[in-house]
Amino acid sequence: DGGITQSPKYLFRKEGQNVTLSCEQNLNHDAMYWYRQDPGQGLRLIYYSQIVNDFQKGDIAEGYSVSREKKESFPLTVTSAQKNPTAFYLCASSALGRLDQPQHFGDGTRLSIL
Amino acid sequence: QKEVEQNSGPLSVPEGAIASLNCTYSDRGSQSFFWYRQYSGKSPELIMFIYSNGDKEDGRFTAQLNKASQYVSLLIRDSQPSDSATYLCAAVFSGTYKYIFGTGTRLKVLA
Repeated sequence: DGGITQSPKYLFRKEGQNVTLSCEQNLNHDAMYWYRQDPGQGLRLIYYSQIVNDFQKGDIAEGYSVSREKKESFPLTVTSAQKNPTAFYLCASSALGRLDQPQHFGDGTRLSIL
Repeated sequence: QKEVEQNSGPLSVPEGAIASLNCTYSDRGSQSFFWYRQYSGKSPELIMFIYSNGDKEDGRFTAQLNKASQYVSLLIRDSQPSDSATYLCAAVFSGTYKYIFGTGTRLKVLA
């Protein structure tokens, strides 16, 4: 079955440490996205990519970095510059070029500070 | 700043009633709108999308779009306790493939 796989499900970060969240999709989607969700809040866009080797900052990109070396993969690194990283991180993908293309979400990664 | 706004709720309805969830958006260039349901601790799952003015029905769900008034709504008929969740409205704006999400409306269906 096609879908989006995020790993790990839970992640703990120590002070000053960079951590990387994995996102892989086999839906053959061109666009991929990373969101952050805080308790009781909506989704805030961190980064998105519409094509391999290109990506754009979202609304809250500071303290995060991404890469898009392959169409299927869009890893997110939470750097030590992100002082409040505790949140639920969601990866999504979508096809491009049609009005009826929703985003498909992975199951998420829950990140906490040790 | 393109925005999508929702009342955070909670919206409480008795079992079997119609739940009405509303969403307004700021950009007249918005093209497509999506409703997602999110259970606590889980990722959003798509319920419906709509991009033409009017109503679109799928089972117990009806999405309504009024581009002149810039609002989109979701009606849930015969509400069930299992419908209790947060409902997220999202819009895709013209010229971009960014999806702008509202903060969600929490629905409680009382048995």
